[in-house]
Amino acid sequence: AQSVAQPEDQVNVAEGNPLTVKCTYSVSGNPYLFWYVQYPNRGLQFLLKYITGDNLVKGSYGFEAEFNKSQTSFHLKKPSALVSDSALYFCAVRGLTGGGNKLTFGTGTQLKVEL
Amino acid sequence: NAGVTQTPKFRVLKTGQSMTLLCAQDMNHEYMYWYRQDPGMGLRLIHYSVGEGTTAKGEVPDGYNVSRLKKQNFLLGLESAAPSQTSVYFCASSYYGTDPYPDYNEQFFGPGTRLTVL
Repeated sequence: AQSVAQPEDQVNVAEGNPLTVKCTYSVSGNPYLFWYVQYPNRGLQFLLKYITGDNLVKGSYGFEAEFNKSQTSFHLKKPSALVSDSALYFCAVRGLTGGGNKLTFGTGTQLKVEL
Repeated sequence: NAGVTQTPKFRVLKTGQSMTLLCAQDMNHEYMYWYRQDPGMGLRLIHYSVGEGTTAKGEVPDGYNVSRLKKQNFLLGLESAAPSQTSVYFCASSYYGTDPYPDYNEQFFGPGTRLTVL
């Protein structure tokens, strides 16, 4: 079965500094990976995905993610953090069996960007 | 275009009561999902559907039933609510796209239903 791990419950960063939210995955076969963001009292919003191709994936709101097959990681990054980026971030991996485009989510990382 | 909507937004039940959560999407998506979100546990898939008239179990299906009689609607039922079902419930939908990866598309989420079972 596939799984993702988000080792940090919370990440704090100063506005203007680069940010990284970590994600590692475990899957037999090719990984298909996603990042979502959740603002308070809202549903999840899609940021970006890796299916194949370039290891650096660009997404919404200036976010990007780097796929590293040897380290089984898919870290979310942004060159310059904004206070408005403060939210809960989820990494997810697509299931490889059973159809239906199912996702398995990590436990989430709370990002706090401070002035 | 409302996207994915959920009804109700909040609900308080007593143990043993039943209720139905309604999810509706206006994007003509084939796939629909029900998740629950609990602190420190991320989102866990309860049930899902790959098309009208079909449903399948997810990771945590016990205590829940679902139906998808119409393509745009996906209902989640609790027949006899338990305090362990206190959670935030999210509905999502996704689509079958075009080649070369038609089945690897993002999910679109509703705003959630906060359910408390006393």
